[in-house]
Amino acid sequence: QQQVKQSPQSLIVQKGGISIINCAYENTAFDYFPWYQQFPGKGPALLIAIRPDVSEKKEGRFTISFNKSAKQFSLHIMDSQPGDSATYFCAASREGGGADGLTFGKGTHLIIQP
Amino acid sequence: DTGVSQNPRHKITKRGQNVTFRCDPISEHNRLYWYRQTLGQGPEFLTYFQNEAQLEKSRLLSDRFSAERPKGSFSTLEIQRTEQGDSAMYLCASSVQANTEAFFGQGTRLTVV
Repeated sequence: QQQVKQSPQSLIVQKGGISIINCAYENTAFDYFPWYQQFPGKGPALLIAIRPDVSEKKEGRFTISFNKSAKQFSLHIMDSQPGDSATYFCAASREGGGADGLTFGKGTHLIIQP
Repeated sequence: DTGVSQNPRHKITKRGQNVTFRCDPISEHNRLYWYRQTLGQGPEFLTYFQNEAQLEKSRLLSDRFSAERPKGSFSTLEIQRTEQGDSAMYLCASSVQANTEAFFGQGTRLTVV
């Protein structure tokens, strides 16, 4: 059972545009939702994270929108740049010791065209 | 401290051999996690430690997989009698405590031939 569903699988955006990646989760016990960026051959790097007590969090060009009732959250990359081309993963974890670690989506391969 | 360090970065081994990977977490991070990532997929949780205690290991892929974290510092992940299906990227992450920011290392790419 896939607990975090991510879409789209791939995305092409023009330079300067807005990239939007969506995730939906099933486990209502999840209460921590990070986004990771991964370049080929590298480990995932934490971009931004949110908890359910807020509906939006912004850091620089990156914004997370969170909808608790719909069990959905999304990443918006404003003014997308070619250097943003990478694979992005949403993830979720729960309180109570984090025994499951992070549950990841399958990833979105983002290409920013110059 | 420059982050989570993993060694080796790449490992090629013959089927049936044993391999061991090392992870050095960020200093003072009590939690250490191991994940496996196959091509085109997100990381898959394997096991984790709180200091030296391994608190979850039921998600290890088989009894050929084992992990240790002696003295609560670095950790090792061992795979015995490797199979071609074990070929993947093995990632280590650490965090200060549960359910907080987890930082990943660069991973060890294992190829079983």
